[in-house]
Amino acid sequence: GAVVSQHPSRVICKSGTSVKIECRSLDFQATTMFWYRQFPKQSLMLMATSNEGSKATYEQGVEKDKFLINHASLTLSTLTVTSAHPEDSSFYICSARGSGEETQYFGPGTRLLVL
Amino acid sequence: LAKTTQPISMDSYEGQEVNITCSHNNIATNDYITWYQQFPSQGPRFIIQGYKTKVTNEVASLFIPADRKSSTLSLPRVSLSDTAVYYCLVVPMNTGFQKLVFGTGTRLLVSP
Repeated sequence: GAVVSQHPSRVICKSGTSVKIECRSLDFQATTMFWYRQFPKQSLMLMATSNEGSKATYEQGVEKDKFLINHASLTLSTLTVTSAHPEDSSFYICSARGSGEETQYFGPGTRLLVL
Repeated sequence: LAKTTQPISMDSYEGQEVNITCSHNNIATNDYITWYQQFPSQGPRFIIQGYKTKVTNEVASLFIPADRKSSTLSLPRVSLSDTAVYYCLVVPMNTGFQKLVFGTGTRLLVSP
């Protein structure tokens, strides 16, 4: 199946700093990428949808100025958590879908801990 | 988006067949049924997808009755490594609308 990677796998940062998470589709071109957040013992919550070359569409309640998403190429999307706070600590997961494909493939996730 | 309902948890033993049923009463004509598996601290992994009747792959089988208001994921002869959360999703196809809405999922625990 298609492979999606994320980097870093885990990150610890101080409150007030910004953190960038990369999502890459390794063996296919991802026209659409999705970013999810998952708190412990809870389900995945969609944060935003990004199409290559256009602005991301954010879900209700997700601050676009805090969670900056860039999808500059067909294989890379980045999520930047700006001015992170402890409540932003979570498991961030991306997924990608190729042109003409129906299935989304998920990355391994990034564990963010904000101190 | 059609809402899905699944049992919160299930227990099984190694070697048994596990059937997880999902209800999706409001499924639309162009909706497909998709199942994902998620291990702790990992992203979900696609398991199987179907529209009607039965679909089988090397991992699981998916049974969908004629009214499509429910579906059953069947895992043959589970092992300890099948302990995970299983999500049932209803996804509209061929519309360019690919927003996945995850429910609570079913937490499967396989014991020796």
